[in-house]
Amino acid sequence: DGGITQSPKYLFRKEGQNVTLSCEQNLNHDAMYWYRQDPGQGLRLIYYSQIVNDFQKGDIAEGYSVSREKKESFPLTVTSAQKNPTAFYLCASSIRQAGGYGYTFGSGTRLTVV
Amino acid sequence: GQNIDQPTEMTATEGAIVQINCTYQTSGFNGLFWYQQHAGEAPTFLSYNVLDGLEEKGRFSSFLSRSKGYSYLLLKELQMKDSASYLCAVLQPSGGYNKLIFGAGTRLAVHP
Repeated sequence: DGGITQSPKYLFRKEGQNVTLSCEQNLNHDAMYWYRQDPGQGLRLIYYSQIVNDFQKGDIAEGYSVSREKKESFPLTVTSAQKNPTAFYLCASSIRQAGGYGYTFGSGTRLTVV
Repeated sequence: GQNIDQPTEMTATEGAIVQINCTYQTSGFNGLFWYQQHAGEAPTFLSYNVLDGLEEKGRFSSFLSRSKGYSYLLLKELQMKDSASYLCAVLQPSGGYNKLIFGAGTRLAVHP
């Protein structure tokens, strides 16, 4: 079955450490996205990528980095520069123009700083 | 700037009808989506409107007025499982592509 997989589901990080969240899709989608969701809030766009080897900053990119070396993969690194990283992170993918099909979301990674 | 507003919380009774409103002001518009999200889970697609009018899909309907920057999601015959957050999102053109911008979501509680 085609889908989008995020791992791990839960992640704990010590302050000052970098951590990488995985996102893989087998839907042959060109575009991939990372969102952050805080309790009681909507999704805020961190980074997005429309094609391999290209990506753009979203609204809250500071303290995060991404790579897009393969069409199927769009990992997100939460760096020590991110001051408040505890949140629910969602990865999504879509056909290039999204249109009426919208996004397909992964099941999310809950990151907690301890 | 861009702004997508929806009520924070709503309550309704099982079997009733509820309307969740969304107003938006965005730089560019290529359609509006509604998603349902249960706590701790991924959002799931409910509807997409790009032209003015009403789109009906089973118990759920969505309406769009582009001139007013307004949409609503109508849920009929409410069931307990409809208790969830409902996210309004605008598809915004960006550098030749599109990106989805989300509102904060409306948390709906359905009571017996």
